[in-house]
Amino acid sequence: NAGVTQTPKFQVLKTGQSMTLQCAQDMNHNSMYWYRQDPGMGLRLIYYSASEGTTDKGEVPNGYNVSRLNKREFSLRLESAAPSQTSVYFCASIIGQAGKDTQYFGPGTRLTVL
Amino acid sequence: ELKVEQNPLFLSMQEGKNYTIYCNYSTTSDRLYWYRQDPGKSLESLFVLLSNGAVKQEGRLMASLDTKARLSTLHITAAVHDLSATYFCAVDMVKAGTALIFGKGTTLSVSS
Repeated sequence: NAGVTQTPKFQVLKTGQSMTLQCAQDMNHNSMYWYRQDPGMGLRLIYYSASEGTTDKGEVPNGYNVSRLNKREFSLRLESAAPSQTSVYFCASIIGQAGKDTQYFGPGTRLTVL
Repeated sequence: ELKVEQNPLFLSMQEGKNYTIYCNYSTTSDRLYWYRQDPGKSLESLFVLLSNGAVKQEGRLMASLDTKARLSTLHITAAVHDLSATYFCAVDMVKAGTALIFGKGTTLSVSS
């Protein structure tokens, strides 16, 4: 049982390049989330998927797109990376019964945009 | 718009001392979470508080929730160096499912 996994762990992009961050969970959780963490800012919710087939915007969705590929996988895409997107990105999942459980976080992806 | 504020943002403590971290939030919610993060690591769940008056304890940490005051506290008793970390509170922003809004975190440093 690997929990929540993320790939890649590190990535350096040039401004304007695109990339997709991958997230998978093997806990049969319904809901999945993408956050970014910047120094002094805590974690900010980018997008979430309450269940397979649905996605919703969080606090800071601009510049990102997401795909809930299936119940296990939730990807985050940067179409045209900007230096302001330099951050640590965390994926999380939860079983989905409101208030029944806590979110489980992946190890994070450290992204630098030059 | 839900806002979550923690204070203090930085806390330097001596071993053996007690202290409290405060988490205030701006709109009605009865679900609040506390997480711990070590430098360069991911987040680890500490407590899930699901109702007014909820109190949970684990070792030297105790968390409580007052939904009427929109306030949660994380109390540290007799701090030890191993508690040095950043602590985040997070509040659920939706009625159905779960979507968390985080505070900025409190960085705790415990020294002897």
